[in-house]
Amino acid sequence: DVKVTQSSRYLVKRTGEKVFLECVQDMDHENMFWYRQDPGLGLRLIYFSYDVKMKEKGDIPEGYSVSREKKERFSLILESASTNQTSMYLCASSSGSGANVLTFGAGSRLTVL
Amino acid sequence: RKEVEQDPGPFNVPEGATVAFNCTYSNSASQSFFWYRQDCRKEPKLLMSVYSSGNEDGRFTAQLNRASQYISLLIRDSKLSDSATYLCVVNMYGQNFVFGPGTRLSVLP
Repeated sequence: DVKVTQSSRYLVKRTGEKVFLECVQDMDHENMFWYRQDPGLGLRLIYFSYDVKMKEKGDIPEGYSVSREKKERFSLILESASTNQTSMYLCASSSGSGANVLTFGAGSRLTVL
Repeated sequence: RKEVEQDPGPFNVPEGATVAFNCTYSNSASQSFFWYRQDCRKEPKLLMSVYSSGNEDGRFTAQLNRASQYISLLIRDSKLSDSATYLCVVNMYGQNFVFGPGTRLSVLP
């Protein structure tokens, strides 16, 4: 089975802190994604990457950046965390071809105080 | 108009009931379609892909109507363990997945 691992399940940070959320997948998938999920708003795409060092903005990229230096790893960075970035962050990957199915990590619940 | 729309529910049904969810999508160029299940405070997990000819997996049947741009999910003989939020997902251009807001199902004893 494809495994997508998010390094932190729960984080508590203070306003203005820099936050790194790490995601690793073990199935050689081309595409990786970062979503946030909030009650009443559903899943919203922040950024995605279809290749190493490539990135594309999603629907809500403001306040976030990403890094994909290796195929298996996709990092989400909050340069200066704000309270409105308190959310559940979900990483996902897909092969990009064939049975192009999204597989999610367990999620990282971030609270910004 | 949102790209993918679903009735948010909640649908409250008794055990053993049959329940159906619909989902509509706006982009006729959409290529592939899925139903995901999400339990409370967990990540979404693939329930089933949806094929043009319709497909069945045990108690679950998914159908696609490209002409009307909707997807359906039918659950027969509902179990308590089917209680979850069901997300309709549409894939466009091979890379971008668009999620509906989800339909919440509660199966009652």
